[in-house]
Amino acid sequence: GAGVSQSPSNKVTEKGKDVELRCDPISGHTALYWYRQSLGQGLEFLIYFQGNSAPDKSGLPSDRFSAERTGGSVSTLTIQRTQQEDSAVYLCASSIPTSGRFRQYFGPGTRLTVT
Amino acid sequence: DQQVKQNSPSLSVQEGRISILNCDYTNSMFDYFLWYKKYPAEGPTFLISISSIKDKNEDGRFTVFLNKSAKHLSLHIVPSQPGDSAVYFCAASGGFNSGNQFYFGTGTSLTVIP
Repeated sequence: GAGVSQSPSNKVTEKGKDVELRCDPISGHTALYWYRQSLGQGLEFLIYFQGNSAPDKSGLPSDRFSAERTGGSVSTLTIQRTQQEDSAVYLCASSIPTSGRFRQYFGPGTRLTVT
Repeated sequence: DQQVKQNSPSLSVQEGRISILNCDYTNSMFDYFLWYKKYPAEGPTFLISISSIKDKNEDGRFTVFLNKSAKHLSLHIVPSQPGDSAVYFCAASGGFNSGNQFYFGTGTSLTVIP
């Protein structure tokens, strides 16, 4: 498809388990972002990739969170030893940065529930 | 600390009337602003943007106003339609000066009553 896709769409996991969330950006988009939206909150920035490198990891909430991007395309967000407070919708977005004036195209999100 | 704030979590408007959604920001380095619309179970979709060199940008029924001195922007929807019912997020960026990061507000849920 032409848009950003994310998988799985829903994930229920037990506390303490590891989860992997996947994002397929729009082809040719060099920038990729991960956000999360907890209940009643705005979009919280997690990490930003330019190509395969992540110049800004400042939003990752703890060292249990990590992300990688390979081939300038697919990205995986990994949460180790999940906690109940990790429950949220995780959104991925991609864009073509042009002089810092660009818009992001969002995927539908992955709803993570930690029980 | 929330750098972009949407102080109204919800708004109800009659069909055909004007909807005004407000957004405030604190960082004077922000120079590019966007509005996104989000339906349930979908990701946000881009609606309209404005650069700090302008104070108004219009696209059909949607107009964004920027007041830099007040660090305030607003989205006007005229006339409002039931299909406009969604959550609206404003976002701000300083471009490369802020590491290409966007800061989002908490959203305003708009309900347009037929």
